Amino acid sequence: GAVVSQHPSWVICKSGTSVKIECRSLDFQATTMFWYRQFPKQSLMLMATSNEGSKATYEQGVEKDKFLINHASLTLSTLTVTSAHPEDSSFYICRTPRGSTEAFFGQGTRLTVV
Amino acid sequence: KNEVEQSPQNLTAQEGEFITINCSYSVGISALHWLQQHPGGGIVSLFMLSSGKKKHGRLIATINIQEKHSSLHITASHPRDSAVYICAALENQGGKLIFGQGTELSVKP
Repeated sequence: GAVVSQHPSWVICKSGTSVKIECRSLDFQATTMFWYRQFPKQSLMLMATSNEGSKATYEQGVEKDKFLINHASLTLSTLTVTSAHPEDSSFYICRTPRGSTEAFFGQGTRLTVV
Repeated sequence: KNEVEQSPQNLTAQEGEFITINCSYSVGISALHWLQQHPGGGIVSLFMLSSGKKKHGRLIATINIQEKHSSLHITASHPRDSAVYICAALENQGGKLIFGQGTELSVKP
């Protein structure tokens, strides 16, 4: 069964609105969550790393005021795309490690901004 | 040059064929993952390797640490194997996953 539950799996929103994506770890505590974005036919690109109880670390070129990440508990990390624009349309996916080598992905969220 | 290189980028096979996808990496790793991504986008972890060989059903993954190379094999391929296969190297330092470009596999009946 799923180790990480990501919701919603798809969302369509109007330009200028905000969208929240949730990733919940099931049956274990996720102290770290990685958030990725994937454009069509491209590889996953790391956007930011969140750690429970502290500020997220953003990759170069990712606007932290636009992509708000909250990791307030050991089982929930959220990514909020604020003031979404059509160019933010993409596939967003989270990943959490378990132990030193395991990797568990959420199901992904396909965001379409119209 | 990417730190993780996959080949081929695209692969079309006939049902029943033996398939090999290759992955080379240039960073120090603690593990290498093979992932499967279906058209809907969801990602499934197929294997995690730090040495040797693993087998699951018709899938086999091998890794040669000295040569920094890994392969994913699919025996008796089936149309339902059609997907994008991605290798991802888990860095020693920092725990980041570095992704290959992916191999888009299409298995024709």
